[in-house]
Amino acid sequence: AQKITQTQPGMFVQEKEAVTLDCTYDTSDPSYGLFWYKQPSSGEMIFLIYQGSYDQQNATEGRYSLNFQKARKSANLVISASQLGDSAMYFCAMREVGYSTLTFGKGTMLLVSP
Amino acid sequence: DAGVIQSPRHEVTEMGQEVTLRCKPISGHNSLFWYRQTMMRGLELLIYFNNNVPIDDSGMPEDRFSAKMPNASFSTLKIQPSEPRDSAVYFCASSRVGYTEAFFGQGTRLTVV
Repeated sequence: AQKITQTQPGMFVQEKEAVTLDCTYDTSDPSYGLFWYKQPSSGEMIFLIYQGSYDQQNATEGRYSLNFQKARKSANLVISASQLGDSAMYFCAMREVGYSTLTFGKGTMLLVSP
Repeated sequence: DAGVIQSPRHEVTEMGQEVTLRCKPISGHNSLFWYRQTMMRGLELLIYFNNNVPIDDSGMPEDRFSAKMPNASFSTLKIQPSEPRDSAVYFCASSRVGYTEAFFGQGTRLTVV
């Protein structure tokens, strides 16, 4: 079974609008971390945001926020006020304490139009 | 901090040749990962080290692939002999042990012709 599921292969958004990228995960480990990475067309993998399983509040980093719903096992990324430079592939990932490698979803391609 | 440093950035080699990819993790990081990315298969974990010890190499495709981490500041991924299907972008990433974020190098784009 997939540990990280990203159901949106592609998303379109207009500049200055907000967009939500979906991510669900599967684990029986009580301690884990959830991550989002951005991969622009230049190819590098850029760490965006982290949410720990015991964190009470949703993580925020500038225009990025993580909508963490533990009971539903979802960790959606919200980008507010989209910019053209946000066009990229976005990956959701998880690390578990019991198996602490980084497992990635298949990614969502986001295109921001003017 | 210089971040994770990979070399070379690009490698073009002929089928059958040996290829060695290099990685210098971020100082103080205890975990190191090698990933391979292709359009067809996405991001695949090849091998994972903790404190220089290989923990999980189940993603290494076959005996042609080998990885070493002789010390905390250096790792290599070797393919011998290389095949066209090995063409991909190979990423190295490092992190502190546990479930903290990992930081990626710029990747090595390998083309085997």
